Amino acid sequence: AQSVSQHNHHVILSEAASLELGCNYSYGGTVNLFWYVQYPGQHLQLLLKYFSGDPLVKGIKGFEAEFIKSKFSFNLRKPSVQWSDTAEYFCAVKYGNNRLAFGKGNQVVVIP
Amino acid sequence: DSGVTQTPKHLITATGQRVTLRCSPRSGDLSVYWYQQSLDQGLQFLIQYYNGEERAKGNILERFSAQQFPDLHSELNLSSLELGDSALYFCASSVVPGETQYFGPGTRLLVL
Repeated sequence: AQSVSQHNHHVILSEAASLELGCNYSYGGTVNLFWYVQYPGQHLQLLLKYFSGDPLVKGIKGFEAEFIKSKFSFNLRKPSVQWSDTAEYFCAVKYGNNRLAFGKGNQVVVIP
Repeated sequence: DSGVTQTPKHLITATGQRVTLRCSPRSGDLSVYWYQQSLDQGLQFLIQYYNGEERAKGNILERFSAQQFPDLHSELNLSSLELGDSALYFCASSVVPGETQYFGPGTRLLVL
């Protein structure tokens, strides 16, 4: 089965600090990659996605992610976080049959 | 607001019972996906429909079934409920299979 790994399940940082969340996947074929965010009490929202082209993808709210094919990685970054970035972040990989495989998520808490 | 609606928001029931969760996709989306989010398993793909037909199956138990109706709304039926079925059930939709999935607010199921 395809797997998606997200490390450091709980991340606590101060406002203005930089954030990087790692995502590694196991599938060796063509993949589409996504980061979703789930704010407290809300549904999953799409942050950004990579289908093809420039491996550095810019999303909403100042987030970006870099696809590194050789490392099977799609890490999420934000240079300076805000309190409102407190949320759970999920990496997802869409492979062959259109299903999404999700990582376990990163619970990010930003302290004002 | 993603445009995907799910009802009910919350559901409390007893073991052995049967419940039906409903999902209305975004206007124009033909494909519907169901996911289960639990603390121990994370987000797991259950099943996908496209224009009324089942397209892909994931980790869906035999006690669970789904269908997509001609008006494109979908229902997930959970029967012989067990305590372990308590989870958040998300529906997502996309224009066609393979395109970006947009998630609904989820139905939180508690089995007592």
